[in-house]
Amino acid sequence: GNSVTQMEGPVTLSEEAFLTINCTYTATGYPSLFWYVQYPGEGLQLLLKATKADDKGSNKGFEATYRKETTSFHLEKGSVQVSDSAVYFCALSEGYGGSQGNLIFGKGTKLSVKP
Amino acid sequence: NAGVTQTPKFQVLKTGQSMTLQCAQDMNHEYMSWYRQDPGMGLRLIHYSVGAGITDQGEVPNGYNVSRSTTEDFPLRLLSAAPSQTSVYFCASSYSGTERTQYFGPGTRLLVL
Repeated sequence: GNSVTQMEGPVTLSEEAFLTINCTYTATGYPSLFWYVQYPGEGLQLLLKATKADDKGSNKGFEATYRKETTSFHLEKGSVQVSDSAVYFCALSEGYGGSQGNLIFGKGTKLSVKP
Repeated sequence: NAGVTQTPKFQVLKTGQSMTLQCAQDMNHEYMSWYRQDPGMGLRLIHYSVGAGITDQGEVPNGYNVSRSTTEDFPLRLLSAAPSQTSVYFCASSYSGTERTQYFGPGTRLLVL
């Protein structure tokens, strides 16, 4: 079945460091891919998404490119800030028709950024 | 808009007790869903609904019931709570068209003793 694998955390970086969080997926068909972020004590918020191969999603300095040939959707940011400390989830949408809204999540990667 | 709201924020139950987790959205979204979040497991889909009167099972439906009598509300019922249901529960909603951005509620933390 469909699945998402993302790098284990926690990840600890200094402010202004470069961030990469790896995400690979297994899916039939043509899923949409997402990165969600969860700040402490809050629900999940959509960070960025891509709906087809070679699409690049971007938001708040974060980027990820939908790579069908490597089945990957790695999250990157050139210079992280303390406020980026959160848990990041890679996800894909599955199915067709009504179940297209169903998301399959990776296990999450906790990022801590030190001043 | 309040977005997606969930009540209660936190609940403690004893094994065998029943309760209903409430979820409401004011964005007129057709699609609503429930996930549970467990440490090291990410989020897993429990049940979902594509519109009023229509529900279906997700990955981990056992021990949970849902109904969808209105577009706005999608309650999750635990009929006989078990310690394995200790988790954080998130409700989410979206439109059913090609725009599939899911909007999540703040979560309900449930502890079953």
